[in-house]
Amino acid sequence: GAGVSQSPSNKVTEKGKDVELRCDPISGHTALYWYRQSLGQGLEFLIYFQGNSAPDKSGLPSDRFSAERTGGSVSTLTIQRTQQEDSAVYLCASSRVAGGGYNEQFFGPGTRLTVL
Amino acid sequence: LAKTTQPISMDSYEGQEVNITCSHNNIATNDYITWYQQFPSQGPRFIIQGYKTKVTNEVASLFIPADRKSSTLSLPRVSLSDTAVYYCLVGERNTPLVFGKGTRLSVIA
Repeated sequence: GAGVSQSPSNKVTEKGKDVELRCDPISGHTALYWYRQSLGQGLEFLIYFQGNSAPDKSGLPSDRFSAERTGGSVSTLTIQRTQQEDSAVYLCASSRVAGGGYNEQFFGPGTRLTVL
Repeated sequence: LAKTTQPISMDSYEGQEVNITCSHNNIATNDYITWYQQFPSQGPRFIIQGYKTKVTNEVASLFIPADRKSSTLSLPRVSLSDTAVYYCLVGERNTPLVFGKGTRLSVIA
């Protein structure tokens, strides 16, 4: 079946502009995660949605970052007034989360954001 | 959150067994050990997870000693396509993943 998809694959923007990044999780997955990866670094957790629960926003680096998940499916990550340090690959992952076992996270291909 | 330490890089020849060891001295009772693999320009992919002793699947084996303060990912007979970054993660199940910088494995023909 289809995996996690993200759009756009690449985004170049000017400093100070707002950007929206989209994630389509695997159908039926109730958990959705956003991470970002700077060049040569490991992934940094940003935000986590699980079902109808309040999202875990503990990883968001500033109030310029926000995310929503509509209808328990598609998610949008918004970065307002982008800064050059926001340049990174933004990765979305989803997982099934059912039962007591481990539910692996399936990652999308990412959106490469470049802020000029 | 338990911190992990793993080698920055490793080289191996094709056909050899590769063992990547990860230290996690502060692992908590509810923490599991999970390994992900990442190829360039792709998101990470789950390899294996364990709590204690040994776990084996079609891709790799994971060895965890009784004190759980370290773990070793074993990749049998690596090929060029196994060249990737391997991340060792420690944490509770079904929670956001905490990534370090991983181990960059280079497989040489």
